[in-house]
Amino acid sequence: SAVISQKPSRDICQRGTSLTIQCQVDSQVTMMFWYRQQPGQSLTLIATANQGSEATYESGFVIDKFPISRPNLTFSTLTVSNMSPEDSSIYLCSVVAGAYEQYFGPGTRLTVT
Amino acid sequence: AQSVTQPDIHITVSEGASLELRCNYSYGATPYLFWYVQSPGQGLQLLLKYFSGDTLVQGIKGFEAEFKRSQSSFNLRKPSVHWSDAAEYFCAVGFILTGGGNKLTFGTGTQLKVEL
Repeated sequence: SAVISQKPSRDICQRGTSLTIQCQVDSQVTMMFWYRQQPGQSLTLIATANQGSEATYESGFVIDKFPISRPNLTFSTLTVSNMSPEDSSIYLCSVVAGAYEQYFGPGTRLTVT
Repeated sequence: AQSVTQPDIHITVSEGASLELRCNYSYGATPYLFWYVQSPGQGLQLLLKYFSGDTLVQGIKGFEAEFKRSQSSFNLRKPSVHWSDAAEYFCAVGFILTGGGNKLTFGTGTQLKVEL
């Protein structure tokens, strides 16, 4: 398994600002994933982040809005840019460990006012 | 494209009663299937997984799930529910990515309420 931490755990931000979410893993992993969980909804994959390469974004998500960094094998950041109330969600990072098992961080609860 | 359907949005059971949460998937090849649980304010915890082999898989916290290819289903079961099982349960299907890892598609979730 993998132990994942995220910072911040929650934040309240004003419209038009940006927030960077950090994800730290206790072991080296090749792939990290970022998900969004809107209120009362399921999880939607935003992007896949491999170390040393550009993140791969899912349909409906763009790099300008959700830039991702992956500087090493244990760390990644997701920035939510130019926020609007529609960005209010829980953002989760995950990693693959073992036999294709994905493990999730505790999430960052973002409220945009 | 792969998809996952969880037909029950909410389920209420009495403590000690048995539980079955339904999950149907659509995927062109042999799926990798998962069940996750999310307690209030928590991240997702992996309950169990199916990759191949025995179609009845055992997980943590006394949960099990059965893969039925003919029905495209992967239902989650527990013989006796505890009050602490109240949470949201997500079924997911994954496919393997080039270079390793897998990509998950989640169902919409089933909210479980346990009556004492």
